[in-house]
Amino acid sequence: NAGVTQTPKFQVLKTGQSMTLQCAQDMNHEYMSWYRQDPGMGLRLIHYSVGAGITDQGEVPNGYNVSRSTTEDFPLRLLSAAPSQTSVYFCASSYRAGGNNEQFFGPGTRLTVL
Amino acid sequence: LAKTTQPISMDSYEGQEVNITCSHNNIATNDYITWYQQFPSQGPRFIIQGYKTKVTNEVASLFIPADRKSSTLSLPRVSLSDTAVYYCLVGEEGYNNNDMRFGAGTRLTVKP
Repeated sequence: NAGVTQTPKFQVLKTGQSMTLQCAQDMNHEYMSWYRQDPGMGLRLIHYSVGAGITDQGEVPNGYNVSRSTTEDFPLRLLSAAPSQTSVYFCASSYRAGGNNEQFFGPGTRLTVL
Repeated sequence: LAKTTQPISMDSYEGQEVNITCSHNNIATNDYITWYQQFPSQGPRFIIQGYKTKVTNEVASLFIPADRKSSTLSLPRVSLSDTAVYYCLVGEEGYNNNDMRFGAGTRLTVKP
């Protein structure tokens, strides 16, 4: 199993550009989520999904869209990039939602918005 | 959501036992306590999880007192490679908790 994969590893955008961060898992996990991590800080939850066709907002959803058309994929879209979105983005998955389920994290995407 | 409080940083030396305590005063009946480890430029990795009393695995122990208002992650005989950020999460089992939030974590530095 590849686990959780993310592409790209690095990305530089100009203000106003849009892009999609890809996330995929091959563990047949129901729950997937996106976090952002700013320098020296913890992770903040952006959006999450408890299954295909179901998504919801986390604590910092503004400026981001998600969709979950398949169990495997959970892309994160930046609609109009801003410098404040410069961060490292992590995708995670777990067998199911809930605090009793281990989350598996991808390697991250380092995004810089100029 | 149960809020967690951890020390911002800790220092230790190789070979010592390290105990990191997390406070979660408003923990709910169905909440589980989970600890993650994060190395620089990597995603967090699960270390250990518990509900009450003591849990031990090959890398750590987790001590949870009877009132469950705090928990302590114990790392025996740390090495330089244990230098990382450690996060404590508290979350309810099942679909009632879909919103898993991390705190700032504890930055552990192991010195030679």
